[in-house]
Amino acid sequence: QMQLEQSGPEVKKPGTSVKVSCKASGFTLISSSIQWVRQPRGQRLEWIGWSILASGETKFAQNFQERVTFSRDMSTNTVSMELSSLGSGDTALYYCAAETTPHAANIWGQGTMVTVAS
Amino acid sequence: DILVTQSPSSLSASVGDTVTITCRSTQRINSYLNWYQHNPGRAPKLLIYLASHLASGVPSRFSGSGSETDFTLTISSLQPEDFATYYCQQSYSGRTFGQGTTVEIK
Repeated sequence: QMQLEQSGPEVKKPGTSVKVSCKASGFTLISSSIQWVRQPRGQRLEWIGWSILASGETKFAQNFQERVTFSRDMSTNTVSMELSSLGSGDTALYYCAAETTPHAANIWGQGTMVTVAS
Repeated sequence: DILVTQSPSSLSASVGDTVTITCRSTQRINSYLNWYQHNPGRAPKLLIYLASHLASGVPSRFSGSGSETDFTLTISSLQPEDFATYYCQQSYSGRTFGQGTTVEIK
């Protein structure tokens, strides 16, 4: 069964960074693309960025491209997203999602709650 | 970034109804349009990819159509488990979500 398991909830202070990881099982990440998506409470889904793991190509939403970094560890079948310069507006549920279906995210992690508070 | 706009933002319907949600892109995107279902506290679920292809395990009452700038998600014979929020997403250049359509029980 293809699954993504995300790291646990985080509480961070404003101005710091957070790293969310996403470990795949039942399939090999290198053969897929990964989206990162977030949803602040009560708001819409917001796309953060996307990475083609085989080539390393990435694309970020304009709102995030200055402060988001993607990384991968193919030895552990894990990808990560790091978001820096956190503010209260970054408090949200963060999802990773794999595209093993053409151009669409068909495997989703369970979500990681990130809370930014002083 | 390519923007996609959904309408309506919400609708009320009854079990057994047919509902239609539309999505319009600011640029021509061929058939690179997906539809997701999202329930609070759960991960989004892919319903339709490449405008009209039914994702694995999704009931056939869900269907998608359209190309280039105008797309439609249709849910025939609405079931109780279908009351949720639906998002379109363009996958032509990066990815962008629409603002969502909440389907509520009338």
